[in-house]
Amino acid sequence: DIQMTQSPSSLSASVGDRVTITCRASQGISNNLAWFQQKPGRAPKSLIYATSSLQSGVPSKFSGSGSGTDFTLTISSLQPEDFATYYCLQYHVYPFTFGPGTNVDIK
Amino acid sequence: QVQLQESGPGLVKASETLSLTCTVSGDSISSYYWTWIRQPPGKGLEWIGYVYYSGSTTYNPSLKSRVTISVDTSKNQFSLRLSSVTAADTAVYYCAASYWASPPSAWGQGTLVTVSS
Repeated sequence: DIQMTQSPSSLSASVGDRVTITCRASQGISNNLAWFQQKPGRAPKSLIYATSSLQSGVPSKFSGSGSGTDFTLTISSLQPEDFATYYCLQYHVYPFTFGPGTNVDIK
Repeated sequence: QVQLQESGPGLVKASETLSLTCTVSGDSISSYYWTWIRQPPGKGLEWIGYVYYSGSTTYNPSLKSRVTISVDTSKNQFSLRLSSVTAADTAVYYCAASYWASPPSAWGQGTLVTVSS
């Protein structure tokens, strides 16, 4: 299986901050990387697929980049509704595998 | 827009079989790959497997000996069966929809299944 790691595991930030989360794969996955946002008690919400393509309805403050093994999710200006846990997912090979998550909370 | 809703028992006894159903609405069941994902309380997400409307499946090897995912196109439903459950199978189970070789784009709300001893 491809192992996914995320850093940091948690971060504290203020409204308006620019936030970057990193995801690393144990082997190359081309651009087959997605990002999800999950709030407590809710199902994950799809944000980004194919490394940098926004799902329909996702605001442009979210952006993704990377290729191969190293990827990033950036939130350009953190808003109150963005405080959540973020997961990356590789869908290059089965079984698909998720990163352990990054919790973004209020400083 | 496709919508999904999980249903099934919230409590299962250890060593028995967990059975869940996901009802699909808003789109054709032949349009997607139908996926199950789970999340133990306070932990991360685990991809269980998928079924296509044709009945073809792919499973996570870590669960393959115990899992069956099937589809009933006449009812617009797909199902998960996980046998010989233990406390480690206690989780919120999500059904989701994906296109071929793509990540889930739509999710059900999730259902908590607790395995009791």
